[in-house]
Amino acid sequence: AQKITQTQPGMFVQEKEAVTLDCTYDTSDPSYGLFWYKQPSSGEMIFLIYQGSYDQQNATEGRYSLNFQKARKSANLVISASQLGDSAMYFCAMRGRNRDDKIIFGKGTRLHILP
Amino acid sequence: EPEVTQTPSHQVTQMGQEVILRCVPISNHLYFYWYRQILGQKVEFLVSFYNNEISEKSEIFDDQFSVERPDGSNFTLKIRSTKLEDSAMYFCASSAAQPSNQPQHFGDGTRLSIL
Repeated sequence: AQKITQTQPGMFVQEKEAVTLDCTYDTSDPSYGLFWYKQPSSGEMIFLIYQGSYDQQNATEGRYSLNFQKARKSANLVISASQLGDSAMYFCAMRGRNRDDKIIFGKGTRLHILP
Repeated sequence: EPEVTQTPSHQVTQMGQEVILRCVPISNHLYFYWYRQILGQKVEFLVSFYNNEISEKSEIFDDQFSVERPDGSNFTLKIRSTKLEDSAMYFCASSAAQPSNQPQHFGDGTRLSIL
């Protein structure tokens, strides 16, 4: 069975600093996809970044990058130069090999950016 | 940018009543999903839908739940006889057929409150 583990329930980071949100996963599928979603206090789920299990390079999207270490089964999200608007809940998620597979989510990390 | 639209944003219903949550997925997407998030908890998969039929459902998705794509644009979740524990945020999501690394795009959610 697939499983996502986020061990940081909450984090406080000073504005403009970089922050790393931890995520480890477990799966028996040889092919899978890893996602990060942001959920602000307003409740919507915002897609941030995707990493495929066979991708050779770590994914990057603007200030977001995914530190993918396949052997360790980790997929940490790095946010560079954090901003006040980054304060939100962040969910790591995984999808199995098939395109229509469900996504399973971790419990999330609540990030607070301090001015 | 195209987005998944959910209505209503908030639904308050008496226990035992039927409720229908509505979603308009992104127009060229072929895979559709419902997830729910009980307050303060992680997002849980309910059901996936492809080619006009359910492709997978979780143990949460019992006989009280049903999904339908009544026309070419809407995707609905019906709860036949609501219970207090159905109170949650319900998210609709959709994803494209190609390429395989497409994320599931989430709507803003419907907050369902059962009284």
